Amino acid sequence: DAGVIQSPRHEVTEMGQEVTLRCKPISGHNSLFWYRQTMMRGLELLIYFNNNVPIDDSGMPEDRFSAKMPNASFSTLKIQPSEPRDSAVYFCASSPRDINQPQHFGDGTRLSIL
Amino acid sequence: AQSVTQPDIHITVSEGASLELRCNYSYGATPYLFWYVQSPGQGLQLLLKYFSGDTLVQGIKGFEAEFKRSQSSFNLRKPSVHWSDAAEYFCAVGPPNSGNTPLVFGKGTRLSVIA
Repeated sequence: DAGVIQSPRHEVTEMGQEVTLRCKPISGHNSLFWYRQTMMRGLELLIYFNNNVPIDDSGMPEDRFSAKMPNASFSTLKIQPSEPRDSAVYFCASSPRDINQPQHFGDGTRLSIL
Repeated sequence: AQSVTQPDIHITVSEGASLELRCNYSYGATPYLFWYVQSPGQGLQLLLKYFSGDTLVQGIKGFEAEFKRSQSSFNLRKPSVHWSDAAEYFCAVGPPNSGNTPLVFGKGTRLSVIA
């Protein structure tokens, strides 16, 4: 089975531009999580969805960040406008309904805002 | 509030030496506990997990971890480290009986392996 697929793997853009990160969870998984990793703060949860419904978005830094999950096989995380402090690695993870199964992570998107 | 502490930011061990990475957690009840490993440029890969039962759990790549309720600890061990074990290691906790909720991660321990 394919794992969690994230795109792009790397993104470099100028501040003020819109950035869209994409995630395809593992088929059959009903929960999807967006995390951000920085040296200073480690891994932080941004938002998560159960059955395509956002459950907790309290980790989203500010209104510039938005996330959607239009169907069970696709999610986006959008930053508009982007700022240099948004530079980080963004991970998507998914997990199945089985309570005994852990989260599976994608390889991340390394985002650099100049 | 839930939290995970990994006291060691960076550890260096010689190849073939034993390894122990520390993890302490703060949680209202016994949580689900996890260790993940992250190689450079990669996502997080699950090494092992503890849900209940035997407090010594075996994982992939020869790793094991021991849950100690009295110490709120879940330390990761390996008897003989290989150069390929150089990576970042993350301890995480999650609520029991709930696979669809987020994990809380420690800040990680970077492991370097020298010849």
